[in-house]
Amino acid sequence: SQQGEEDPQALSIQEGENATMNCSYKTSINNLQWYRQNSGRGLVHLILIRSNEREKHSGRLRVTLDTSKKSSSLLITASRAADTASYFCAPSYQGGSEKLVFGKGMKLTVNP
Amino acid sequence: GAVVSQHPSWVICKSGTSVKIECRSLDFQATTMFWYRQFPKQSLMLMATSNEGSKATYEQGVEKDKFLINHASLTLSTLTVTSAHPEDSSFYICSARDVNTDTQYFGPGTRLTVL
Repeated sequence: SQQGEEDPQALSIQEGENATMNCSYKTSINNLQWYRQNSGRGLVHLILIRSNEREKHSGRLRVTLDTSKKSSSLLITASRAADTASYFCAPSYQGGSEKLVFGKGMKLTVNP
Repeated sequence: GAVVSQHPSWVICKSGTSVKIECRSLDFQATTMFWYRQFPKQSLMLMATSNEGSKATYEQGVEKDKFLINHASLTLSTLTVTSAHPEDSSFYICSARDVNTDTQYFGPGTRLTVL
């Protein structure tokens, strides 16, 4: 299958702690996008990282990409209760018509 | 970030009726839009790729005559669920690709309930 696979599938932490989630994918990509989804809502775009990039930051978010291992990670620093959501990685494969295929996601719970 | 809207946000209909869902990119042009459905506590399942000015590309197992897609302009795609049945009840989400940034932005979703 071509979806990204998030790991772990669920994570529960305390406010203020950092949360790291990993994503593995199958073949060469153009880019990889991370999204957040609150229950019953649409997806919010977090970060896009291109295949020639290794790290990107956005506020409390840090995304890394290792194309040799076909993996990416999303780090949320100083987590807040409002970060509680499901997180998805979505690789865009070369020659894949830009469609994104989603895995099961990772459920993050940040306890106050 | 860019904004994608969907209308309606929820709809309840009787079995056998057809329902149209609109997806609009509000501040960028999108030659390509995508339609997904999501069942409770599950991931998003890609249904089809909507191409402006041409026929949609459907994923395997998705009935094109059941889920009609029209992408008439660079900012609007519509999904029509024809002769809806209770098993079509789901959360339908669209996304639009901004060609300038390669980013896909998602709409807020439409919850369809078929009685």
